[in-house]
Amino acid sequence: NAGVTQTPKFQVLKTGQSMTLQCAQDMNHNSMYWYRQDPGMGLRLIYYSASEGTTDKGEVPNGYNVSRLNKREFSLRLESAAPSQTSVYFCASRYTSGSTDTQYFGPGTRLTVL
Amino acid sequence: GDSVTQMEGPVTLSEEAFLTINCTYTATGYPSLFWYVQYPGEGLQLLLKATKADDKGSNKGFEATYRKETTSFHLEKGSVQVSDSAVYFCALWGQAGTALIFGKGTTLSVSS
Repeated sequence: NAGVTQTPKFQVLKTGQSMTLQCAQDMNHNSMYWYRQDPGMGLRLIYYSASEGTTDKGEVPNGYNVSRLNKREFSLRLESAAPSQTSVYFCASRYTSGSTDTQYFGPGTRLTVL
Repeated sequence: GDSVTQMEGPVTLSEEAFLTINCTYTATGYPSLFWYVQYPGEGLQLLLKATKADDKGSNKGFEATYRKETTSFHLEKGSVQVSDSAVYFCALWGQAGTALIFGKGTTLSVSS
């Protein structure tokens, strides 16, 4: 199993450009998440998808859109990038069974907006 | 709302020193508690967890005990190694159970 994979690993954008961050998991998990990580801020939830076909806003959704394409894939789109969106973005999926409830994270995408 | 507070870093230790990273939480009910570790340039990995009061999670020499009375989940290790240098995050499932709520992270640097 590859676990949670993210592409690209690094990206530099100019203000106003758009891009889509891709995430896929091969663990058959229902729930998937997008977080951003900023220095001194920990991880903050952008959007999540509890199951295929559903998405919900998290703590910091402004400037982002998401698509849960199927059970495996959950993409994050920046329609018009701003310097404030310079961050490291992590995708995660969630495994729940009985008393086990754990999130698994991808390696991250480092995005710089100039 | 639910929240997690971690001690500010960075924490700088010599190899074989004792480590404590404090974590306290505010939550409705008794959520599962987690410690995640992030090594340089990598994503987050689950280090240990505890699902109910008085549970002790342990992994790779690290331990943390779920203390309901003090709403704490402090991370400890008796003898740190250089390879333990990383950022450590305390986390819990939010009230709605929809996503993890993280502390701001504590950077640990261990020198030989």
